[in-house]
Amino acid sequence: GAVVSQHPSWVICKSGTSVKIECRSLDFQATTMFWYRQFPKQSLMLMATSNEGSKATYEQGVEKDKFLINHASLTLSTLTVTSAHPEDSSFYICSARVNLGGAAFFGQGTRLTVV
Amino acid sequence: GESVGLHLPTLSVQEGDNSIINCAYSNSASDYFIWYKQESGKGPQFIIDIRSNMDKRQGQRVTVLLNKTVKHLSLQIAATQPGDSAVYFCAENIGGSQGNLIFGKGTKLSVKP
Repeated sequence: GAVVSQHPSWVICKSGTSVKIECRSLDFQATTMFWYRQFPKQSLMLMATSNEGSKATYEQGVEKDKFLINHASLTLSTLTVTSAHPEDSSFYICSARVNLGGAAFFGQGTRLTVV
Repeated sequence: GESVGLHLPTLSVQEGDNSIINCAYSNSASDYFIWYKQESGKGPQFIIDIRSNMDKRQGQRVTVLLNKTVKHLSLQIAATQPGDSAVYFCAENIGGSQGNLIFGKGTKLSVKP
């Protein structure tokens, strides 16, 4: 299957600081990438759809000014958690589909801990 | 057996037995379904997929069954091994969307040696 790489795999930051998470498609181009958040023992919750060259589409209840998404190239999308607070601590996962009708492949996930 | 509580449903099986994990999906317009395996602290890993024009698809040790009449999907794992212990999610693709998948709640599979 296609490879999606996510970095960093874990990060600890202080309240009020911002954290950037990168998602790269290594062997294919992805015009669309997806960002999910996952709480312990729960399913994946779609946060936003990242579109190359245009604005991201956010799901209801997700603050776009809090979770900044940039998809500047066909192989890279970034999620920046701005002014992070302890309640933002979670597991963040990105995915990309080789084509919209095919399987989605996921990054390794990023464990964010805000202290 | 399978239990449902406040947390993820859990299925416990003996090593070597077959496992069946079930999923009810929500949208009759869904045209594509995927099963993922997620180990602790990792991203979901693709296992097998099926399109809505099929009712069965087999992979290596895994079989996916699709019943569109009752909107039900199942994953069968043959000769379950300890390495199969993980959380399994089904995902549906709703035709006409931007391409995002809708995930089910997940089932935790525990394999007893």
